[in-house]
Amino acid sequence: EPEVTQTPSHQVTQMGQEVILRCVPISNHLYFYWYRQILGQKVEFLVSFYNNEISEKSEIFDDQFSVERPDGSNFTLKIRSTKLEDSAMYFCASNFGTGGWGELFFGEGSRLTVL
Amino acid sequence: DQQVKQNSPSLSVQEGRISILNCDYTNSMFDYFLWYKKYPAEGPTFLISISSIKDKNEDGRFTVFLNKSAKHLSLHIVPSQPGDSAVYFCAASATQGGSEKLVFGKGTKLTVNP
Repeated sequence: EPEVTQTPSHQVTQMGQEVILRCVPISNHLYFYWYRQILGQKVEFLVSFYNNEISEKSEIFDDQFSVERPDGSNFTLKIRSTKLEDSAMYFCASNFGTGGWGELFFGEGSRLTVL
Repeated sequence: DQQVKQNSPSLSVQEGRISILNCDYTNSMFDYFLWYKKYPAEGPTFLISISSIKDKNEDGRFTVFLNKSAKHLSLHIVPSQPGDSAVYFCAASATQGGSEKLVFGKGTKLTVNP
């Protein structure tokens, strides 16, 4: 069964460093997302991406964050200068269409620890 | 800003009995609701969904009920099995408003005891 894959599974970084989290969405999906879950809190929407551009972003997704689809398969989330509060599990997701068109397929997550 | 609320952080039931997980929402623009299941160290996995034009959707042992007037939905699992033990997230989206994001509740940890 096709699945969303994410790397790395866990990354530890120093505050102020740049981090890139990578995702390979399901190949025939058109919409790509990043969500995050801070420990003990709810899963929060960060950004959605369609047709090579951001289609929606949350207030969390400030100028420190960027997304890119550098080739036909990868979808990346970059945090330019990490802060302690960026420590969270980051989930990539994809689907065929928006909202009610179909459920999101999530990857297993990348745990980011900022020291 | 808790637009989707799961007020029970945990629930424990006996194997074979019914599990009922509850979810309330505040945003009347939400028109599509989903339940996700999450095991430790894994991403959320889609379980079942319901559109606001329905009040019930059933898939095997899982049934979701939607009460629009009360802005309340519930997930019924019957009979419950030990393998159902996981964290269950309620999520909602406002598809007619053009939003693509899912708004999640904080989750309810279900434990099914053998």
